[in-house]
Amino acid sequence: AQSVAQPEDQVNVAEGNPLTVKCTYSVSGNPYLFWYVQYPNRGLQFLLKYITGDNLVKGSYGFEAEFNKSQTSFHLKKPSALVSDSALYFCAVRDPASYSGGGADGLTFGKGTHLIIQP
Amino acid sequence: DAGVIQSPRHEVTEMGQEVTLRCKPISGHNSLFWYRQTMMRGLELLIYFNNNVPIDDSGMPEDRFSAKMPNASFSTLKIQPSEPRDSAVYFCASSPVGFYGYTFGSGTRLTVV
Repeated sequence: AQSVAQPEDQVNVAEGNPLTVKCTYSVSGNPYLFWYVQYPNRGLQFLLKYITGDNLVKGSYGFEAEFNKSQTSFHLKKPSALVSDSALYFCAVRDPASYSGGGADGLTFGKGTHLIIQP
Repeated sequence: DAGVIQSPRHEVTEMGQEVTLRCKPISGHNSLFWYRQTMMRGLELLIYFNNNVPIDDSGMPEDRFSAKMPNASFSTLKIQPSEPRDSAVYFCASSPVGFYGYTFGSGTRLTVV
């Protein structure tokens, strides 16, 4: 079974500083990994994904994530945080070995990390 | 495209009543997912469809929950009878073939009193 863990319920960062939101995963095969962001009273928005290739993935709003197979991690990063980055961030994983065919299959989401950027 | 459209945005109902949540996926997306979000349990996958066919409903909590997708542009999630512990935000998401990330709707906030 696939699973994902976000060890921090909340991360506080001063505006302008670099930020990291942590994510570790567990799958039986090679993972497909995703980050989503949720603003208050909104649905989740796709930020970036890792499927294969370069371990450093760049996404929307200046975010990037690094896939580390040996540490089974996929941490979200940004070099300089903005107050508008404050939101709830979700890491998600899918094990393609469980693919049933005919379309996309369900992702397993972490519990989310509240990112708070202080002015 | 207007994105994934969910209705209603908010629903308040009394315990025991039937509740129907609706979702219109993005045109051309052949996979549709229903998720539930609560503070305690986070995001839970309830059921998903590929090409209008239910593939995995193991996340549906009880027989009180049912979902249908009669055509490629419409899906419903029904709770009958509803209970206070069903109170949550219910999200619908759709995706094209492949693993390019879901597009989520804005959700339906359900309150059962």
